[in-house]
Amino acid sequence: GENVEQHPSTLSVQEGDSAVIKCTYSDSASNYFPWYKQELGKGPQLIIDIRSNVGEKKDQRIAVTLNKTAKHFSLHITETQPEDSAVYFCAASLFSGGYNKLIFGAGTRLAVHP
Amino acid sequence: DVKVTQSSRYLVKRTGEKVFLECVQDMDHENMFWYRQDPGLGLRLIYFSYDVKMKEKGDIPEGYSVSREKKERFSLILESASTNQTSMYLCASSSFGGANSEAFFGQGTRLTVV
Repeated sequence: GENVEQHPSTLSVQEGDSAVIKCTYSDSASNYFPWYKQELGKGPQLIIDIRSNVGEKKDQRIAVTLNKTAKHFSLHITETQPEDSAVYFCAASLFSGGYNKLIFGAGTRLAVHP
Repeated sequence: DVKVTQSSRYLVKRTGEKVFLECVQDMDHENMFWYRQDPGLGLRLIYFSYDVKMKEKGDIPEGYSVSREKKERFSLILESASTNQTSMYLCASSSFGGANSEAFFGQGTRLTVV
């Protein structure tokens, strides 16, 4: 079936370093790719998203890139801070059964060490 | 502040019990979703609803049902709880665009079935 693969499952960086999380998707018709951040004890929260008509999007220290040909997209966090420590989920839209649904990756646990 | 509220943070139920998980949103959103979150599997869609009294099966509907009698409320029902339904359950809502727009998540209900 349709799926989204996310790597790495865990990522440990020093404060100030960059972090990159990569996802691949299988449905070439997917056109919406959000990234969610889940802090401990909370529900996921959207941090950035990109649509298929755009190759890159940036919001302060975070950016997302999309390669439709290769069917992969990545989250880039620069100048990481301890408060960036969380679980990050990528997702891709899938049109199935007459409706759009989101397929989520398995998540990446990011730890930023002071 | 937008809000999705799940009725319980933690629940412990016995095998065979009928379990109700309640979710209320205050954003007048048309779309509501129930996901299940398990380590290494990300978020998997159980059921969703794009309108009052409307429901559609997600990717893992077996053993679950839902009810949406009012726009702001979406209930997940475990007809006969089993130990393999021990998990974190997340409710979400979104406005126009269904799954192709920002989803707002509740804080989650951690259900343990013993």
